[in-house]
Amino acid sequence: GAVVSQHPSRVICKSGTSVKIECRSLDFQATTMFWYRQFPKKSLMLMATSNEGSKATYEQGVEKDKFLINHASLTLSTLTVTSAHPEDSSFYICSARGTSEYNEQFFGPGTRLTVL
Amino acid sequence: GQNIDQPTEMTATEGAIVQINCTYQTSGFNGLFWYQQHAGEAPTFLSYNVLDGLEEKGRFSSFLSRSKGYSYLLLKELQMKDSASYLCVSMDSNYQLIWGAGTKLIIKP
Repeated sequence: GAVVSQHPSRVICKSGTSVKIECRSLDFQATTMFWYRQFPKKSLMLMATSNEGSKATYEQGVEKDKFLINHASLTLSTLTVTSAHPEDSSFYICSARGTSEYNEQFFGPGTRLTVL
Repeated sequence: GQNIDQPTEMTATEGAIVQINCTYQTSGFNGLFWYQQHAGEAPTFLSYNVLDGLEEKGRFSSFLSRSKGYSYLLLKELQMKDSASYLCVSMDSNYQLIWGAGTKLIIKP
């Protein structure tokens, strides 16, 4: 099956620093990748849709300058949390859309961000 | 508006059968997914339905009724490892996923 990796799996940083999270599709090319945020005991919240070679489409309420997304190649998308604050602490999950007729999304393992 | 409704929590006994229901309202429809998510982990794909009827895959089955905007996930021969959240997810006409809040399934011995 399709495999999506995420790096790092866990990061702890000080308030005010920036953190970059990488999402890679390992065995397929993903023209579309998605970034989600999940709060404890809540469902996934779509933050943005990332298309290779173009600007990301952000969901309402998500700050573009705060969460920078780059989709430089068909196998890599990055999310940078700029000037992180404690309220940005969360579980960030990326997914990549598969190429089968199902259009299912394959998820990375997630990144646990803790901002002190 | 777009909406997914599913129970917040269910409890079942090991070895038994449980059915998790889901109703959805989306702008257009391109299929319904069920995902399993263990605490602290990313969701994993379980099933996809786009036509009416029942899809069986081992111990898990998923049913869809498009006219009723209704789906269910049926889990048989429950095992302790099935304790997880089960997410009902609809795909709209733009191929965007609309996520339910998930049903936390608790399996008791």
